[in-house]
Amino acid sequence: NAGVTQTPKFRILKIGQSMTLQCTQDMNHNYMYWYRQDPGMGLKLIYYSVGAGITDKGEVPNGYNVSRSTTEDFPLRLELAAPSQTSVYFCATRTRTGGGNYGYTFGSGTRLTVV
Amino acid sequence: GENVEQHPSTLSVQEGDSAVIKCTYSDSASNYFPWYKQELGKRPQLIIDIRSNVGEKKDQRIAVTLNKTAKHFSLHITETQPEDSAVYFCAASRTGSSNTGKLIFGQGTTLQVKP
Repeated sequence: NAGVTQTPKFRILKIGQSMTLQCTQDMNHNYMYWYRQDPGMGLKLIYYSVGAGITDKGEVPNGYNVSRSTTEDFPLRLELAAPSQTSVYFCATRTRTGGGNYGYTFGSGTRLTVV
Repeated sequence: GENVEQHPSTLSVQEGDSAVIKCTYSDSASNYFPWYKQELGKRPQLIIDIRSNVGEKKDQRIAVTLNKTAKHFSLHITETQPEDSAVYFCAASRTGSSNTGKLIFGQGTTLQVKP
C-alpha cells in the first residue's frame, strides 16, 4: 500500500514548455485534490475531483488542467509554463476515518522551477 | 468562498513554554477544522482536528478549541519541545455527503522552539 505517489519529485522547466505532474493512489479514494504551496502563502487549491470523470476548479486554476479517467490517477497538466508557476505541488486524497472525521493523505510533493 | 486567516506568521518560544496559534474563517457552513504540521521539505501531516459540534479536543500536549459564534479556532501546544519546531497550518472545510471536502488553508505559522 503505497498511499499517494507523486512523480517527478523535482523538475526544471523552461518558460513556455509543458509538463504533466502525476498523482496515483492505491487506496480507492474518490476525492482527490491538487494544491500548490508558495513560501509564506500556505496551500492553495488548484483543482479537485470527487470521482472518476468529475473535476472542478479550486482557488487558483488558471494555467492548469486536470483529468480523472480512473479512480487511481489524477494528473495535473501545465501548458505554457510561466515563472509564476514555480512552486511545490501536492496531491492529496480524502477518506472518512469514522466519527464524522476525515483523513487527508498527501503525496510527497513535486518541486517545480520555471526558468 | 471560504477564507481562512492565520496568526501569527512566526512564533518563537522557549522550550517548555506554551504556544498558541489562531485562525479565523469566513464560511459559517464550514464544520471541519484540521491542523497540519509540516517539517522542512516534508509533506503536511495531520496532528489534530475538530468538528463544529465539539468545542475542544485534546491529544497529549496538543489541544484545539473552536468558537463557532466568533468563527475562530486555535491550536495550543503545551510544554513545547525543539521537535515541535515546524510550520503549522490550519484549515477549514465543509463536510457531508453533498460537499466536496475542499480544504482551505491558512497562511501558516512558523514555530521555533529554542532549547
